[in-house]
Amino acid sequence: GIQVEQSPPDLILQEGANSTLRCNFSDSVNNLQWFHQNPWGQLINLFYIPSGTKQNGRLSATTVATERYSLLYISSSQTTDSGVYFCAVKPTDSWGKLQFGAGTQVVVTP
Amino acid sequence: SAVISQKPSRDICQRGTSLTIQCQVDSQVTMMFWYRQQPGQSLTLIATANQGSEATYESGFVIDKFPISRPNLTFSTLTVSNMSPEDSSIYLCSVLWAFYNEQFFGPGTRLTVL
Repeated sequence: GIQVEQSPPDLILQEGANSTLRCNFSDSVNNLQWFHQNPWGQLINLFYIPSGTKQNGRLSATTVATERYSLLYISSSQTTDSGVYFCAVKPTDSWGKLQFGAGTQVVVTP
Repeated sequence: SAVISQKPSRDICQRGTSLTIQCQVDSQVTMMFWYRQQPGQSLTLIATANQGSEATYESGFVIDKFPISRPNLTFSTLTVSNMSPEDSSIYLCSVLWAFYNEQFFGPGTRLTVL
């Protein structure tokens, strides 16, 4: 099956800093989503981005499908950005199943 | 996007018992899924809940342990049977918003088995 690798596994940031999270995948996909899991376990949809670039406030994401990677940018980080960020993909030949990466644990300190 | 609710939000159960988790969606959706997230781990798909037919289970998950019902296009249940401490996890319901090809998750059920 498709492999999804996220890096780095852990990230500690000072409030106000910028960061980049990476997601590599091993096969062609027709769905790529970024999620933020807050400390209470809730999965929040950040981006649906199988290709191209999107921005939402301080967050932006870019997927280069031909090179099989996606980047999530966090700018001017805040303590509320803490949590685990997951990348999940759906292979082109799949009929619905999302395959999740292992996640990046982000801690933003005041 | 779909609004998804789950009940219960959390529970503490004794080993050997069973727990049924409910998932309710505010609109009709074609595809519903159940995921498990073990402590400190990522999400793993348990099964696809099919309306009007048996669920489709992923490798490593069996119907006897995780029976699933889906009586209509807005509701599904997952039962965790004959529980052991290894079943302590967050269980999440998910739906595919087909028009946008985007998947959404419920708030999860945090299960602790003693």
